[in-house]
Amino acid sequence: EVQLVESGGGLVQPGGSLRLSCAASGFTFRTYAMSWVRQAPGKGLEWVSGISVSDGSTYYADSVKGRFTISTDNSKNTLDLRMSSLTAEDTAVYYCAKERYESSGFYFDSWGQGTLVTVSS
Amino acid sequence: QSVLTQPPSASGTPGQRVTISCSGSNSNIGNNAVNWYRQVPGTAPKLLIYTNNQRPSGVPDRFSGSKSGTSASLAVSGLQSEDEADYHCASWDDSLNNWVFGGGTKLTVL
Repeated sequence: EVQLVESGGGLVQPGGSLRLSCAASGFTFRTYAMSWVRQAPGKGLEWVSGISVSDGSTYYADSVKGRFTISTDNSKNTLDLRMSSLTAEDTAVYYCAKERYESSGFYFDSWGQGTLVTVSS
Repeated sequence: QSVLTQPPSASGTPGQRVTISCSGSNSNIGNNAVNWYRQVPGTAPKLLIYTNNQRPSGVPDRFSGSKSGTSASLAVSGLQSEDEADYHCASWDDSLNNWVFGGGTKLTVL
């Protein structure tokens, strides 16, 4: 059974930094792409960043480019998101999601339970 | 402002058929598959429909998806009280080079 467990969320001051982690199990981690998707309070889903675990290619939403860094530790099957220069607009529940590819397209087939990041003084 | 456009709310009575629309552009829905996620408030999203019209195992056939041009739809037939949730559409955007989502539609069973 696929399991994705996020950790690292919490309260951080504006301008501060935080590191989120996602522990993955139940699948061959290095053969999938992974993403972080966030949801601000009362809002819809927003894709933040993605990584191809096999070749390390990374992708970022314009809203976080230059401030967030996505990475993986294939030896520990973990996905990380390093966040810096945080603002109130980054306040959200952050989900890690596993991406599955089929010939007809790709999609997020598994999601973690989420971790809440609150940016406030 | 979400790149994909969904109505903020939809409703129906038990047994009815309800559809939720998702409108995009040539760079996303027009050129890529659409996926739908169901989210009960306070919980994580869950895959409902993938690549336009495929259901993961365990999803009842009351749920169906379709796509035409730059728009997609999710249909829920035989509406049940447990269908109350938020429904999100998503697609890859070739111009932005990232995933885009709709703002989500809150489905209420009256």
